[in-house]
Amino acid sequence: DAGVIQSPRHEVTEMGQEVTLRCKPISGHDYLFWYRQTMMRGLELLIYFNNNVPIDDSGMPEDRFSAKMPNASFSTLKIQPSEPRDSAVYFCASGFQRPGNTIYFGEGSWLTVV
Amino acid sequence: AQSVAQPEDQVNVAEGNPLTVKCTYSVSGNPYLFWYVQYPNRGLQFLLKYITGDNLVKGSYGFEAEFNKSQTSFHLKKPSALVSDSALYFCAVSLEFNAGNNRKLIWGLGTSLAVNP
Repeated sequence: DAGVIQSPRHEVTEMGQEVTLRCKPISGHDYLFWYRQTMMRGLELLIYFNNNVPIDDSGMPEDRFSAKMPNASFSTLKIQPSEPRDSAVYFCASGFQRPGNTIYFGEGSWLTVV
Repeated sequence: AQSVAQPEDQVNVAEGNPLTVKCTYSVSGNPYLFWYVQYPNRGLQFLLKYITGDNLVKGSYGFEAEFNKSQTSFHLKKPSALVSDSALYFCAVSLEFNAGNNRKLIWGLGTSLAVNP
């Protein structure tokens, strides 16, 4: 398996623009997670899905952020409008349902909002 | 509240010396414990985990960790450090039983390991 695949790897955008980050989880995994990593706040869980259904979005910072999982092999995280403080690395991860199972991360999307 | 602590922001060790990266946790119930490593400009990579059984867990790249229930710790160790081990290390915990389909991991803030030649 190719692992969790994220795109784009790097994006630089202007404040106010819409940003869409994409994720393809490992085939067969039934959980998908979106994380954000910054120097100031460390690793934050934004939202996660089970069988394509959002379970907990309490980590989504504000209404400008939205996430969808239309099918088992694809998810998006959208920021509209983007702001400079959204600059961070966004990670997608996937795993199986049993709590002891490992979750696997993608290589991340490096977002810079200027 | 459930939490994970990595008490050291940074650990420095000379190449060839043993290394330890510390992790303590606070949960109600039986924990599942994980270590991940993040190399510069990369995603987090799974190193090892404790689920049940032997308290000493062996993982990738020669790393191991010891689960100590009485001290609520899960320290990461390696007998002989390499310069290539320099990275950011994260400890995380989840519970054996969670309400509903809760699959949250509780993460430490990370420890930066620098191995000097």
